[in-house]
Amino acid sequence: AQSVAQPEDQVNVAEGNPLTVKCTYSVSGNPYLFWYVQYPNRGLQFLLKYITGDNLVKGSYGFEAEFNKSQTSFHLKKPSALVSDSALYFCAVKSNGNNRLAFGKGNQVVVIP
Amino acid sequence: EAQVTQNPRYLITVTGKKLTVTCSQNMNHEYMSWYRQDPGLGLRQIYYSMNVEVTDKGDVPEGYKVSRKEKRNFPLILESPSPNQTSLYFCASSTRLNYEQYFGPGTRLTVT
Repeated sequence: AQSVAQPEDQVNVAEGNPLTVKCTYSVSGNPYLFWYVQYPNRGLQFLLKYITGDNLVKGSYGFEAEFNKSQTSFHLKKPSALVSDSALYFCAVKSNGNNRLAFGKGNQVVVIP
Repeated sequence: EAQVTQNPRYLITVTGKKLTVTCSQNMNHEYMSWYRQDPGLGLRQIYYSMNVEVTDKGDVPEGYKVSRKEKRNFPLILESPSPNQTSLYFCASSTRLNYEQYFGPGTRLTVT
């Protein structure tokens, strides 16, 4: 069964500094990897995905993520964080061998003005 | 506007009283799914459906039922709710090509 680990409960970063949210995964077969963001009292919104191709994936709102097969990681990054980036971020994985989606526990990102 | 709708948004009920949470999407998506969100546990998949009349269990299916009689609708049924099913529930849909999930606004369920 596939699984995702998001090791940090909360990430604090100063506005304007680089933001990194970590994700490692476990899956049999080739992974489909996703990042979602959840703002307070809202549903999740898709940010970006990796299915195949270039290991560096660019998504919405200036976010990007790098697929690293050897480290089984898919860390989310943003070069310069904004206060409006404060939200809950979820990493998710799906194997190409089945149709289940596994989400991580989520990371609360707090961008400090 | 492309969207996933859920009803009701908030529900307080008592143990054992059957309830249904509806989910509908207007994007002609094949894949639909239900998740529950609990503090410290993230999102966990309850059931998913690949298409009409095709459903399968996710990670936490116990105590839930689903049906997919029409492509746009995927209701979640709790035949006999219990307090441990108090949670925030999300419905989502996507194509089978990329699995980019569109999420509904959520249903906050409290079972007393």
